[in-house]
Amino acid sequence: DSGVTQTPKHLITATGQRVTLRCSPRSGDLSVYWYQQSLDQGLQFLIQYYNGEERAKGNILERFSAQQFPDLHSELNLSSLELGDSALYFCASSVTGASGYTFGSGTRLTVV
Amino acid sequence: GQQLNQSPQSMFIQEGEDVSMNCTSSSIFNTWLWYKQDPGEGPVLLIALYKAGELTSNGRLTAQFGITRKDSFLNISASIPSDVGIYFCAGLNYGGSQGNLIFGKGTKLSVKP
Repeated sequence: DSGVTQTPKHLITATGQRVTLRCSPRSGDLSVYWYQQSLDQGLQFLIQYYNGEERAKGNILERFSAQQFPDLHSELNLSSLELGDSALYFCASSVTGASGYTFGSGTRLTVV
Repeated sequence: GQQLNQSPQSMFIQEGEDVSMNCTSSSIFNTWLWYKQDPGEGPVLLIALYKAGELTSNGRLTAQFGITRKDSFLNISASIPSDVGIYFCAGLNYGGSQGNLIFGKGTKLSVKP
């Protein structure tokens, strides 16, 4: 157990729908990062939050949004889902980020 | 954007053999990291490197931060079946509570007993 908790583990939904993925960081970690992993693209950085504020943005689609709450858990919202959004979505957390991130076990999203 | 070229893409080796993989970038990183991912799990940090030229070991794993800061390699000595998985390099430039890891596309390692 890495200490980073992601729910749900699996999600199957239809095109056009909206889903919310949840992440609880390791105790004491202020930064949360979201990554998307698909077969042909590897691990792609989506967005970083630090203590409730957005700090860095990667290749995140406009249909996707995230937030970090006062208790430091984070949610990634994916809307108007397309077949190509099927992927593993990982959350990671860190204290400072400089020493590497701790990853959760991911949410596997399947859009049908 | 920044990209990491990781090679080889896959390796099939015999148990007991040594393994070498590397990562190169077109830009400089302040930190290089190596992760391993098992099926159905998230990446797990193996080794972190913070200084150009640094050589760091973690058991049978040894990694080096290239002196140009644009490359890194990972060696696994005397491989065993549980070394099977996907190994990712990652580069990081971090400052002011902001930063993100850029990952290579991974090296898939298979070990024949």
